[in-house]
Amino acid sequence: QVELVESGGGVVQPGRSLRLSCAASGFTFSNSGMHWVRQVPGKGLEWVATISYDASKIYYADSMRGRFAISRDTSKNTVYLQMTSLRPEDTAVYYCAKGGWSFDNWGQGTRVTVSS
Amino acid sequence: QSALTQPASVSGSPGQSITISCTGTINDVGGFNYVSWYRQHPGKAPNLILYDVSKRPSGVPNRFSGSKSGNTASLTISGLQADDEADYYCNSYRSTPTSLVFGGGTKLTVL
Repeated sequence: QVELVESGGGVVQPGRSLRLSCAASGFTFSNSGMHWVRQVPGKGLEWVATISYDASKIYYADSMRGRFAISRDTSKNTVYLQMTSLRPEDTAVYYCAKGGWSFDNWGQGTRVTVSS
Repeated sequence: QSALTQPASVSGSPGQSITISCTGTINDVGGFNYVSWYRQHPGKAPNLILYDVSKRPSGVPNRFSGSKSGNTASLTISGLQADDEADYYCNSYRSTPTSLVFGGGTKLTVL
């Protein structure tokens, strides 16, 4: 069965960087688009970024473009989210998800707290 | 990037049907059939319940159905059950620029 396991979250100071990882298993990773979605505690879902199956197409939400970078390593079946210049408003649970123009399967999420 | 518009809350009694709307523009909901719906129980990750407007993933019961008219998509849940009490989110592909956008979420209360 499909399994997505996020890691790399934690507490980080404003302005610092953090890299999230999402290890995938149970499906052909090299054939699947991947996404990151975040959720501020008590608030709604917010799409962050998408990478196509072959990494040829990458898309970002406006508020993340230029600060966040999504990438993938097919040899490790892993998708990454490099986050730089972090702000307190980036505090959220970050989920990775598999899919094309929908989020077919989700991980359990990793919590990121940006605070001094 | 403005979100799609959903009602903040809906409610219904067990066995009844409810409908949640999701309103966008011609650049997202109205222009493409890439609308999907998610259910999220408290403290849990979201779960896909419909994609491509009305298609159900394997394992999702046919109590869940979707439709679209103009710039508004709708999720209908029939035969409400206690476990349906959750938050529901719609999502759509959006063009120019290419992106994905969520609705603000709807809290479903089963009375």
